[in-house]
Amino acid sequence: QLQLRESGPGLVKPWETLSLTCNVSGVSVSSRSYYWGWMRQSPGKGLDWIGVIYYKGDTFYNPTLKRRVTIFVDKSKNQFFLNLTSVTAADSGVYFCTRPWDIGSWFDPWGQGTLVTVSS
Amino acid sequence: QSALTQPPSVSATPGQKVTVSCSGSTSNIGKNYVSWYQQLPEVAPKLLIYDNIKRPSGIPDRFSGSKSGTSATLGITGLQIGDEGTYHCATWDTSLSVWVFGEGTRLTVL
Repeated sequence: QLQLRESGPGLVKPWETLSLTCNVSGVSVSSRSYYWGWMRQSPGKGLDWIGVIYYKGDTFYNPTLKRRVTIFVDKSKNQFFLNLTSVTAADSGVYFCTRPWDIGSWFDPWGQGTLVTVSS
Repeated sequence: QSALTQPPSVSATPGQKVTVSCSGSTSNIGKNYVSWYQQLPEVAPKLLIYDNIKRPSGIPDRFSGSKSGTSATLGITGLQIGDEGTYHCATWDTSLSVWVFGEGTRLTVL
């Protein structure tokens, strides 16, 4: 059974880079036709899509974040990662890793989420 | 402001039925499938409905989805206290090439 778990620093200083890890268990991160994605939820707000990566390495990012986002995979560790540069308080929230079943389709499952606060 | 519009809250008593609406546009709901997610307090979102009407295995048939034009609806029958939480709709926006979500609807079971 596929399970996802996020990890990373809970506190990031303004203008620094937020780096998160999603540990994948139950399936290989390089499984054929699999996508992997990152979402976030600001306090009291809805969900926002950050970006996805295809098993072949192709990436698709939310245009509003594209200049600051990088998603990549480490097959040897069965993990995928999120880097978000030049963070501000607006980037604070709970970050989730998830599996989109295709571009434009649904997300299942989700990790439990990790809270990130941007503050000096 | 989200691309999809949901009511901020709905409430009902145990055993009753409730519906949650999700309104979009011709470029998102009008052209693409809708999915629904349940987010219980302090828990990650969980897929409830995909492809407008389908339920993943393990999701009881108390939960149902429908879509008409540029709107979608989540229905929950036989409400339980454990259903209290926030319900999110989502779809793809063909014009923007992004996934879009509603702001979420908080369900209170009185």
